[in-house]
Amino acid sequence: DIVMTQSPDSLAVSLGERATINCKSSQSVLYSSNNKNCLAWYQQKPGQSPKLLIYWASTRESGVPDRFSGSGSGTDFTLTISSLQAEDVAFYYCQQHYTTPFTFGGGTKVEI
Amino acid sequence: EVQLVESGGGLVQPGGSLRLSCAASGFTFSRYWMHWVRQAPGKGLVWVSRIKSDGSSTHYADSVKGRITISRDNAKNTLYLQTNSLRDEDTAVYYCVRENNWSLDYWGQGTLVTVSS
Repeated sequence: DIVMTQSPDSLAVSLGERATINCKSSQSVLYSSNNKNCLAWYQQKPGQSPKLLIYWASTRESGVPDRFSGSGSGTDFTLTISSLQAEDVAFYYCQQHYTTPFTFGGGTKVEI
Repeated sequence: EVQLVESGGGLVQPGGSLRLSCAASGFTFSRYWMHWVRQAPGKGLVWVSRIKSDGSSTHYADSVKGRITISRDNAKNTLYLQTNSLRDEDTAVYYCVRENNWSLDYWGQGTLVTVSS
């Protein structure tokens, strides 16, 4: 199984400041057929279901604010919130969708 | 509007069984792979199972293999998860999720399964 390791476990960021979350996979999730990285990011607010933010490592889901961006390739990925807003307080999870089992990272708690 | 509504959760004794259902609407259910993902109280997300759009292929996490069966009825736009030989560690909210572009783009609200004597 591909192991996904997120860091940090939690971080506190001031409003308007940048938040950066890292995700590392135990093997490459680059799909050679389309040269895309099979890595997604999800946001889960307290009491809610998860919400897809980013897929193919850097493609923003429709309706997701552009302050959210994803980057990275191979085994190392980053989710960046360029200017943290109060409504961004949540847990964030990375997930590889390269092969089953579609493993998740352990999550990162973002707070103000 | 895409909607996924889970049902069937509840309290069950260790060793017991439950059948979870997920009613899908707002999209052509038969065209999409579907998943179940679970989340134990206060814990992270864990992928459980996946089924192909026509039901011909399934995948399972090792932790549930042999105890859980995913299935679907495309005529009824419904996804199922048959859970058997339940253990304490199966206690979780179970989410029904749609796959699109290989990622999980729509999630239901979840149904809670509690395994306890």
